[in-house]
Amino acid sequence: AQSVTQLDSQVPVFEEAPVELRCNYSSSVSVYLFWYVQYPNQGLQLLLKYLSGSTLVKGINGFEAEFNKSQTSFHLRKPSVHISDTAEYFCAVSAWDGGSQGNLIFGKGTKLSVKP
Amino acid sequence: DAGITQSPRHKVTETGTPVTLRCHQTENHRYMYWYRQDPGHGLRLIHYSYGVKDTDKGEVSDGYSVSRSKTEDFLLTLESATSSQTSVYFCAINGRINTEAFFGQGTRLTVV
Repeated sequence: AQSVTQLDSQVPVFEEAPVELRCNYSSSVSVYLFWYVQYPNQGLQLLLKYLSGSTLVKGINGFEAEFNKSQTSFHLRKPSVHISDTAEYFCAVSAWDGGSQGNLIFGKGTKLSVKP
Repeated sequence: DAGITQSPRHKVTETGTPVTLRCHQTENHRYMYWYRQDPGHGLRLIHYSYGVKDTDKGEVSDGYSVSRSKTEDFLLTLESATSSQTSVYFCAINGRINTEAFFGQGTRLTVV
């Protein structure tokens, strides 16, 4: 069975500092990985995705993530955060083993709080 | 933005009453999903559909049923609402498996 672990439930950081949100996954089949962002009282918006190819993927709002198969990780990074990046971030995996319909399995989320 | 509309956006209901939430899409996507979001649990899959009248259970399906009679509509029904079903419910769609899903704005349901 597939699973996703987000290692930090909350990450406080000062404005213009770099940030890394950690995500590890468990799967025995090929995986497809996603990061979503949720602003207060809104739905989830896709930040970036890894389907195949280059292991470094770039997304919206200056975020990037690196797929590391040997460490089963997909950490999200941003070199300089803004107040507007304050939100909850979710890592998700889709791993089709021929049984399920490729549903997304989510981690429990990381709340990023950017302080001035 | 993907064309997904959830209704209602907010609802307060009493314990024991049936409740139906609606998800409507204009993207003609094959796959539709219902998730619930609770603090400390992230998003958990309730039910999903892979075509008209084709549905299956997710991780937390007890107490919920779904129906999909048209490609564009996916209904989630709480047969007899309980306080443990107080949550934010999200509908999601995608056109192919193993690709990103697009989410609606959510329905905040409170069972009193």
